Amino acid sequence: ETGVTQTPRHLVMGMTNKKSLKCEQHLGHNAMYWYKQSAKKPLELMFVYNFKEQTENNSVPSRFSPECPNSSHLFLHLHTLQPEDSALYLCASSQDITSGDLDNEQFFGPGTRLTVL
Amino acid sequence: AQSVTQPDIHITVSEGASLELRCNYSYGATPYLFWYVQSPGQGLQLLLKYFSGDTLVQGIKGFEAEFKRSQSSFNLRKPSVHWSDAAEYFCAVGPYSSGTYKYIFGTGTRLKVLA
Repeated sequence: ETGVTQTPRHLVMGMTNKKSLKCEQHLGHNAMYWYKQSAKKPLELMFVYNFKEQTENNSVPSRFSPECPNSSHLFLHLHTLQPEDSALYLCASSQDITSGDLDNEQFFGPGTRLTVL
Repeated sequence: AQSVTQPDIHITVSEGASLELRCNYSYGATPYLFWYVQSPGQGLQLLLKYFSGDTLVQGIKGFEAEFKRSQSSFNLRKPSVHWSDAAEYFCAVGPYSSGTYKYIFGTGTRLKVLA
């Protein structure tokens, strides 16, 4: 596998279910991100991890719980979601969050299409 | 407040025609600017980026963009569009402050290419 991978690619869940999204990066990066992409809205940054430490929580409801066990893996645990949480959830990684280096761009995974019934 | 505006939600061009996608930003200093492309069912792929220097930036797939400070714009161009360019295009600003990046994305422009 290369780049950033996400599983599952599609997920349908009820409002009372608990599920998890997984992201893995094979780029040797130290920063990982969760974004939410809804129709007709800009990408919304949800969480940022740098060297496994959470550095950003963009006022995300507690029904979304991230976990970063190491620099290569990022999870998003989902619990009692609402229908308005249906969206494409994108994971991204970059070298880190503090470098002003020209190459510190973000690489995105293909996303998980989540539908909450 | 920092923001990115992509005024065109949809654009349709014929194959072989030229393309320009507009992006305007609001930011207090010179930003880092990016264009990403998203094909159906895929994540975002970086087309090009501007940090400093030459204001005309070359990217992948034959795309280029020009940074115009006076107009707060970073428009994406391609001289001859191919059918495979049909996708959604996102402009992003990467303010770097307080020791961290925080990308701000536009709402995207969906490109349709007619054969």
